[in-house]
Amino acid sequence: DTAVSQTPKYLVTQMGNDKSIKCEQNLGHDTMYWYKQDSKKFLKIMFSYNNKELIINETVPNRFSPKSPDKAHLNLHINSLELGDSAVYFCASSQDRWNQPQHFGDGTRLSIL
Amino acid sequence: RKEVEQDPGPFNVPEGATVAFNCTYSNSASQSFFWYRQDCRKEPKLLMSVYSSGNEDGRFTAQLNRASQYISLLIRDSKLSDSATYLCVVNIPGGSYIPTFGRGTSLIVHP
Repeated sequence: DTAVSQTPKYLVTQMGNDKSIKCEQNLGHDTMYWYKQDSKKFLKIMFSYNNKELIINETVPNRFSPKSPDKAHLNLHINSLELGDSAVYFCASSQDRWNQPQHFGDGTRLSIL
Repeated sequence: RKEVEQDPGPFNVPEGATVAFNCTYSNSASQSFFWYRQDCRKEPKLLMSVYSSGNEDGRFTAQLNRASQYISLLIRDSKLSDSATYLCVVNIPGGSYIPTFGRGTSLIVHP
């Protein structure tokens, strides 16, 4: 059983389109995250939710909107995609928001044409 | 000064060598420290947490130096399969703890 699963694995789309990435964890964790890893391999946190409540929002453009319908799911919707959005997006979860390590999904590779 | 800094490497070592990486952090109130490993085109995977007193897991030893604000990872008897990028993570206090990654150190172990 995959602990943190993301769909889709690959996403190729045109500039200006709107797309969503879904994430689910079956670990019973309270906290979920979205990260962006750019072409230089730098992993940067975007958002974090704890029990469906937004707790971290790291100066991400308004075009990115996370949604957590329940604590096991965290989705990411991106409006008006731009070339600079091309990256790998990782979802992760941790037992709580404080001192626990994170478990990552295997990433969604987004390419903007 | 970046919040979490690592030497990008690459560190190029022969099998059997001992290699050490450091990771410095700027916020002295930082809590919780981790080392992750990331293989090419894969997700980061937890290697080990770093405890105040230092900790060991097989060939891997992690240490924390709060006075000098760095953590270290020592790999003994390197294997070819240790080739990867090693990422340090520091939980930096804000409204919540913000997990902040270093840029990673690349390790290449050759025969």
